[in-house]
Amino acid sequence: RKEVEQDPGPFNVPEGATVAFNCTYSNSASQSFFWYRQDCRKEPKLLMSVYSSGNEDGRFTAQLNRASQYISLLIRDSKLSDSATYLCVVNRDSSASKIIFGSGTRLSIRP
Amino acid sequence: DTGVSQNPRHKITKRGQNVTFRCDPISEHNRLYWYRQTLGQGPEFLTYFQNEAQLEKSRLLSDRFSAERPKGSFSTLEIQRTEQGDSAMYLCASSSDRGPWGYTFGSGTRLTVV
Repeated sequence: RKEVEQDPGPFNVPEGATVAFNCTYSNSASQSFFWYRQDCRKEPKLLMSVYSSGNEDGRFTAQLNRASQYISLLIRDSKLSDSATYLCVVNRDSSASKIIFGSGTRLSIRP
Repeated sequence: DTGVSQNPRHKITKRGQNVTFRCDPISEHNRLYWYRQTLGQGPEFLTYFQNEAQLEKSRLLSDRFSAERPKGSFSTLEIQRTEQGDSAMYLCASSSDRGPWGYTFGSGTRLTVV
């Protein structure tokens, strides 16, 4: 079993729709959680951190459920520019020595 | 310093040849990481340096792979006797153990072994 698992998609939704991704992690001792965005043939870029209380950044909302060991990302009013792969990322320990990536969820927004 | 720099951007090599990639991290960052990414997969951790010390190596890093960070600044990743299965994007990232958390990735080196 992979340490971080995501639905690979692709999710194909119309512009303006709301879309949500989930990600599960297996290590209950994991300390911190993030969503990264990766455009085709580009490097991953940090989208947002995920806090226990949940957090919002514009159209993006991230949630963490430690009891069930999953994190989620909600995108409201999706734009064409949101088309990308969204990578769920888990930091195993507080020293932030390395982060573990999920395989990513592909999102395609259609006009 | 505008970010993490990786060279070359692309490398095509014949099977059995040795290749070396370079990563220049953000100058204030004391941590440096190498990841490998194949199509349809997320980046997989290879190795990690804190300053010049290599603190962790993945089991993915076979004996043909070696990484160095001799002065705690730039790093090199060498693959000896390349195999077709080594074809991938090799990503370097850096971070600091002080200040705000954040990994910054370079644009990667795409290796094709023919």
